[in-house]
Amino acid sequence: AQSVTQLDSHVSVSEGTPVLLRCNYSSSYSPSLFWYVQHPNKGLQLLLKYTSAATLVKGINGFEAEFKKSETSFHLTKPSAHMSDAAEYFCVVTGGSYIPTFGRGTSLIVHP
Amino acid sequence: KAGVTQTPRYLIKTRGQQVTLSCSPISGHRSVSWYQQTPGQGLQFLFEYFSETQRNKGNFPGRFSGRQFSNSRSEMNVSTLELGDSALYLCASSLAWWEGEETQYFGPGTRLLVL
Repeated sequence: AQSVTQLDSHVSVSEGTPVLLRCNYSSSYSPSLFWYVQHPNKGLQLLLKYTSAATLVKGINGFEAEFKKSETSFHLTKPSAHMSDAAEYFCVVTGGSYIPTFGRGTSLIVHP
Repeated sequence: KAGVTQTPRYLIKTRGQQVTLSCSPISGHRSVSWYQQTPGQGLQFLFEYFSETQRNKGNFPGRFSGRQFSNSRSEMNVSTLELGDSALYLCASSLAWWEGEETQYFGPGTRLLVL
């Protein structure tokens, strides 16, 4: 069994300030973890993925995430938010199954 | 390389009708997965096809079905539409969805409205 919890449904930041989107997971197997972004009326775009290699994963557009097994977390960060980062972000886990489990999403709001 | 394409992009149907949605994966990708996205339930896995065979199915009623053709293009069908079937239907393709390590690439989705 597997599950994923995105701890915040909305995160609001000012442009130029750091971004932190939190994700906790559970999995009976060694998990693969992903972060996707969805802009309005668009499909999902992969930001980054963790698949049992380096625990600090760098993705596109300056995002990165750290896999912490002891905390069962995979939080997404970015040092400086840009207006174009405003979107819905999804944390996804798979493990021992072909069926990915999606978090409920975190809406990132960026203020000028 | 062209991305995942889905047709149609928007669709309006009435209750009781049926609908067929189409997905063309990225060239060379053999795995196609379908998802339903609604405000209430979020993103839910429908089913996944690989080399014309359904490998996995989510927890949806039998009204939801799909198939994959030899060129990897996939269709999903929903029969006897209900108001609750209104959603964004997303298709994703990958080279081979082995234990989640393969990256899935998503199409823009088909937005279905059932009246």
